[in-house]
Amino acid sequence: DGGITQSPKYLFRKEGQNVTLSCEQNLNHDAMYWYRQDPGQGLRLIYYSQIVNDFQKGDIAEGYSVSREKKESFPLTVTSAQKNPTAFYLCASHGERNTEAFFGQGTRLTVV
Amino acid sequence: AQSVTQLDSQVPVFEEAPVELRCNYSSSVSVYLFWYVQYPNQGLQLLLKYLSGSTLVKGINGFEAEFNKSQTSFHLRKPSVHISDTAEYFCAVNRGGYQKVTFGIGTKLQVIP
Repeated sequence: DGGITQSPKYLFRKEGQNVTLSCEQNLNHDAMYWYRQDPGQGLRLIYYSQIVNDFQKGDIAEGYSVSREKKESFPLTVTSAQKNPTAFYLCASHGERNTEAFFGQGTRLTVV
Repeated sequence: AQSVTQLDSQVPVFEEAPVELRCNYSSSVSVYLFWYVQYPNQGLQLLLKYLSGSTLVKGINGFEAEFNKSQTSFHLRKPSVHISDTAEYFCAVNRGGYQKVTFGIGTKLQVIP
């Protein structure tokens, strides 16, 4: 089945550590996105990529980094510079022939 | 720039009663409109979308939405809700292609038995 896979589903991080969230899609979509979700704040865009080896900052990119070395993969690294990383992270992708984005199942990151 | 306003953060409704979740948007250009549903600890799933044509759009799970250009609204409705409709609902807009999608803050629908 085609879709977007995020892993892990739950992730715990100690303060000061970097962690990487995985996002893989087999939909042959060019565009991929990372959103952060906090209660009562909707979805806020962290980074997005419209083509391999290129990406742009979203509204809340500080403390995060991404790479887009392959069309299928768009990993997100939450660095120690992100002061409040506990949140639910959603990855999405979008194809040229689609009008809507397709979402993964999310990763819940908790700082302990 | 575009923006989305979901007027209600929470909507409680009794089972089998009708419900309307409100969404207003602003944009200087034509946009596509979407409603997504999110169940706890899951990703977002598309309910329905308005691209063009008929202003009444039907989606999955018995939901429908009406696009009103003059009022810049895209309200979501269901004539009779079920317990399984308890979830968070997001209204979203974009200008098509790979343009960024703008989401509302979400409305939590709580269906009461």
